[in-house]
Amino acid sequence: LAKTTQPISMDSYEGQEVNITCSHNNIATNDYITWYQQFPSQGPRFIIQGYKTKVTNEVASLFIPADRKSSTLSLPRVSLSDTAVYYCLVGPSGGYNKLIFGAGTRLAVHP
Amino acid sequence: DGGITQSPKYLFRKEGQNVTLSCEQNLNHDAMYWYRQDPGQGLRLIYYSQIVNDFQKGDIAEGYSVSREKKESFPLTVTSAQKNPTAFYLCASSIRQFNTDTQYFGPGTRLTVL
Repeated sequence: LAKTTQPISMDSYEGQEVNITCSHNNIATNDYITWYQQFPSQGPRFIIQGYKTKVTNEVASLFIPADRKSSTLSLPRVSLSDTAVYYCLVGPSGGYNKLIFGAGTRLAVHP
Repeated sequence: DGGITQSPKYLFRKEGQNVTLSCEQNLNHDAMYWYRQDPGQGLRLIYYSQIVNDFQKGDIAEGYSVSREKKESFPLTVTSAQKNPTAFYLCASSIRQFNTDTQYFGPGTRLTVL
């Protein structure tokens, strides 16, 4: 299972775009990249998942370069309610996913 | 209303007692998981089950036990052998999507040993 590296914390202000980059240098060919959001005392919430290029949903965008050794979660126009911990995970396809959660990135959005 | 439910939300136990945490899902997912989260840390896998009547140890299974008698249910027992059981416990279930499995989490149970 590929290990990921993310910044420990980030700060932003309401209305700004936030980009959180995750490094996964030893990602395997069949691995997917998944991002979760977690609020205090709640379970992680699935945000977005991708394999290559760009994926967009109603919440975020995920940018994956051609070498797939990193990925960037983009949150457009953040609000105070986006203050949370964001986890980047890389996992194998074709089987049940033993997710490895690091400490994540603690995003603080300020007024 | 589909989802994953965990009960109770808060649980207190005395040292030396076993306690069972409930996890139920009505999403028709095959796989279910238990994680433990300590303050400021990521999640660590305790046990997982891919199908009924089958389960495997995760990274920190010592002091825990599980059963999977029904597809919808995956209870976790924290035994007295678990040296430091105070933590936030999360249950998840997963479904195959686009050749990978996406896990969905319950709200969690916070266990405190007094």
